[in-house]
Amino acid sequence: TQLLEQSPQFLSIQEGENLTVYCNSSSVFSSLQWYRQEPGEGPVLLVTVVTGGEVKKLKRLTFQFGDARKDSSLHITAAQPGDTGLYLCAGVGSGSEKLVFGKGTKLTVNP
Amino acid sequence: DTAVSQTPKYLVTQMGNDKSIKCEQNLGHDTMYWYKQDSKKFLKIMFSYNNKELIINETVPNRFSPKSPDKAHLNLHINSLELGDSAVYFCASSQVRLNSPLHFGNGTRLTVT
Repeated sequence: TQLLEQSPQFLSIQEGENLTVYCNSSSVFSSLQWYRQEPGEGPVLLVTVVTGGEVKKLKRLTFQFGDARKDSSLHITAAQPGDTGLYLCAGVGSGSEKLVFGKGTKLTVNP
Repeated sequence: DTAVSQTPKYLVTQMGNDKSIKCEQNLGHDTMYWYKQDSKKFLKIMFSYNNKELIINETVPNRFSPKSPDKAHLNLHINSLELGDSAVYFCASSQVRLNSPLHFGNGTRLTVT
């Protein structure tokens, strides 16, 4: 079973701060997806990274896929209360058809 | 114009009962899924159907039986409910089987008392 470890599990910061959350595995993934989930709702896709070393930006969010395609990071610049939520990474392992999720990072941005 | 809709939103029932959760997607996707999210927010796949054909069946008790009458619908029937079945169940769909992003419904919170 291909596992994705996310860290930190919980993160509480003040508005305006920067933060990085990590998604790591010992396995190679053909792609990694990042989702954000708000209370009472389903996860919503933020981005998919496919190529090793790839960097994608979505406004204040920067996503990076590791060169070896075993890890990914999400960096948020100048966090805002609207960024509060559960951030989930998910990946499809090489030779697998299953999308496996990490356990998530619960982010709280305080005004 | 909800993309993936599941009903009911909340389901409270007693141990031993049988219940169903319905899911419909209007995105024209070929693949649909059921995921279970436990109290620690861990999302785990249960089943996946592609064009009404079962393609993923994780280690899930036989009490859980999915049914896909057509590719836009995937329902989940649960027999003899147990306390440990309490969780949030999410339906999702994707355009193709591999590497496609998932579109999730808003979940069904099942509480077994």
